[in-house]
Amino acid sequence: AQSVTQPDIHITVSEGASLELRCNYSYGATPYLFWYVQSPGQGLQLLLKYFSGDTLVQGIKGFEAEFKRSQSSFNLRKPSVHWSDAAEYFCAVVPLGGYQKVTFGTGTKLQVIP
Amino acid sequence: DAGVIQSPRHEVTEMGQEVTLRCKPISGHDYLFWYRQTMMRGLELLIYFNNNVPIDDSGMPEDRFSAKMPNASFSTLKIQPSEPRDSAVYFCASTPGAVATFGSGTRLTVV
Repeated sequence: AQSVTQPDIHITVSEGASLELRCNYSYGATPYLFWYVQSPGQGLQLLLKYFSGDTLVQGIKGFEAEFKRSQSSFNLRKPSVHWSDAAEYFCAVVPLGGYQKVTFGTGTKLQVIP
Repeated sequence: DAGVIQSPRHEVTEMGQEVTLRCKPISGHDYLFWYRQTMMRGLELLIYFNNNVPIDDSGMPEDRFSAKMPNASFSTLKIQPSEPRDSAVYFCASTPGAVATFGSGTRLTVV
């Protein structure tokens, strides 16, 4: 069955530390891949996307993500976390072709401690 | 570009009442999605439209839920009658292709 998995429900990091949020997908063909961020009480904002080409993609707010086909993963990274990065992060996929149905992972809530 | 506009931002209603949530997608976006977000179930896709036509409503939880898109610039999600378990944040999103833009959501509380 097609799915997108975020194995970490909650992550706590210290301000200034590096961050990696995991995302794995299970689709017949590599889908389009996205990371969204949701601040408390807000809607979802697109951080970055991968369609094809360079497997390391840069996004807003200093985030990047690496697509690894062999691992069916699209992990989100940031070298140095800021307190304002505390939010919930969602990995999302859109299957190739057909209608643009976005499916979200369950989200990872990031807490940043001073 | 005003983005995806949802109204109201907050809605508190009594059980049994009809609730209508509204969404104005970004002009030119021919896909529109309705999502529901709860602590227990995360983000669930309820229904989506392409060129105003409902494509997949398999996520609509019950017959109490209905959605319409009478034209390219307006969509509604209606719950009738509402129940406390419908309390959630409802998001609308639109896209011309793969990258969806989300509205700020409507926080619905059914008491």
